[in-house]
Amino acid sequence: EAQVTQNPRYLITVTGKKLTVTCSQNMNHEYMSWYRQDPGLGLRQIYYSMNVEVTDKGDVPEGYKVSRKEKRNFPLILESPSPNQTSLYFCASSLRGRAGNTIYFGEGSWLTVV
Amino acid sequence: AQTVTQSQPEMSVQEAETVTLSCTYDTSESDYYLFWYKQPPSRQMILVIRQEAYKQQNATENRFSVNFQKAAKSFSLKISDSQLGDAAMYFCAYRRTETSGSRLTFGEGTQLTVNP
Repeated sequence: EAQVTQNPRYLITVTGKKLTVTCSQNMNHEYMSWYRQDPGLGLRQIYYSMNVEVTDKGDVPEGYKVSRKEKRNFPLILESPSPNQTSLYFCASSLRGRAGNTIYFGEGSWLTVV
Repeated sequence: AQTVTQSQPEMSVQEAETVTLSCTYDTSESDYYLFWYKQPPSRQMILVIRQEAYKQQNATENRFSVNFQKAAKSFSLKISDSQLGDAAMYFCAYRRTETSGSRLTFGEGTQLTVNP
């Protein structure tokens, strides 16, 4: 089954404690990205990757890091989380070009920073 | 930069009635795609309908249809014969057609309530 898997799904953490949200896809997609969803703001892109070792900033990259060492994985790293990073996070993947109109989303990760 | 605006934070409709959700966007591109996504309380992102800008014909998917006005940069979603299961947050999204990626730009969302 084609899927994007995120972990953890729910996390409460404290300010400053490094955490990683993992994302894995089984469709051999080149393109992967992270979004955060906040009330009244919709989903905003944090970082994206067009292939292994190729990453770039989205609209709201501050406070986040990513890496793409393998094609299937695209972890989101919060080196020193702060309360304003409390949000719902989505990982997404797709092919590139016109074939990329079928975008697969993970189920979301609820992150609370206290 | 592309922007997507949904001016209706909340909408409500009676079961079996028709409702239209509004979306406008701004872009200088001529080749792009527009989407409506549904997000139920589970927070899953579900694709409702997709429109290719180079196609003049409005997309339809069962009870869901769009009114795509390219010159006006408007992309509204019509839900006919509304059902209780249609209650959700709806997001309009834009994607520029390019070879390098599949970035989506989302609107703020419209929370739809369906009244029995």
